[in-house]
Amino acid sequence: DAKTTQPNSMESNEEEPVHLPCNHSTISGTDYIHWYRQLPSQGPEYVIHGLTSNVNNRMASLAIAEDRKSSTLILHRATLRDAAVYYCILRDEWGGGADGLTFGKGTHLIIQP
Amino acid sequence: DSGVTQTPKHLITATGQRVTLRCSPRSGDLSVYWYQQSLDQGLQFLIQYYNGEERAKGNILERFSAQQFPDLHSELNLSSLELGDSALYFCASSVRGVTYNEQFFGPGTRLTVL
Repeated sequence: DAKTTQPNSMESNEEEPVHLPCNHSTISGTDYIHWYRQLPSQGPEYVIHGLTSNVNNRMASLAIAEDRKSSTLILHRATLRDAAVYYCILRDEWGGGADGLTFGKGTHLIIQP
Repeated sequence: DSGVTQTPKHLITATGQRVTLRCSPRSGDLSVYWYQQSLDQGLQFLIQYYNGEERAKGNILERFSAQQFPDLHSELNLSSLELGDSALYFCASSVRGVTYNEQFFGPGTRLTVL
C-alpha cells in the first residue's frame, strides 16, 4: 500500500469543526482512501472511505483533492467522544482485501471542552 | 459494539508458554483478520482468513499460527512466548474481505508475558 503522512497531533475545541489532513502523494489510481479511528482503550473503528468523489456519512465527511494526492477528514461538530487517534490508510482496489490494513502513527486528536 | 467478540479480555502468562486467543466475527462475515498493537511497533497486521482458508500473511512470527473454523470463529495461537510478545491483539472481521469492505474490530485481548 502507498504511504500516507499525517500530523502527529491536533487540538480542537468541542462543538467546532475539525479538519484532519492526510497526504498521499504516491497514491495510485486504484487506491481507496480509508479512515479509521481508535478511541482510548478500544479497537479501531471504521470512519469513512472514498475513491475519487467526496463522501459523507453519519460520522464524518471525506474531502478528496482533485489530484487525489491529499484528503481531509472533516468532523463537522467535534465532541469529547471524538478524541482519538485517526488513521488515514490507502488500500489497493485490486488487492481484493487480501491483506490487512497498514496503520501508520495516525493523528492524535485532542478535544478541549 | 462492533459485533466482534474476543476472549479472553486479559491474559497473563510466563515466557516459554503457549496461549490461544479466540475471536468470533460478526454474524455473516466471512473474513477474519488478526492484528497486534504494541507500544514500539504500533498496529500491525498479522494474518487473514477467508471462509476457513488462509488468505494473506503480514508480520506474523513463525511461533504464531492461526486458523478459522467451519463456524467462522478464529483462534490465534502464540507459542514459546517472549517478553516482547506482550501486546494488545485485535481481531477484525469483514463481509467478504474485499478492499472497500470496512473492517469491524473487536475489543482486543491484552496479553502480558512475565
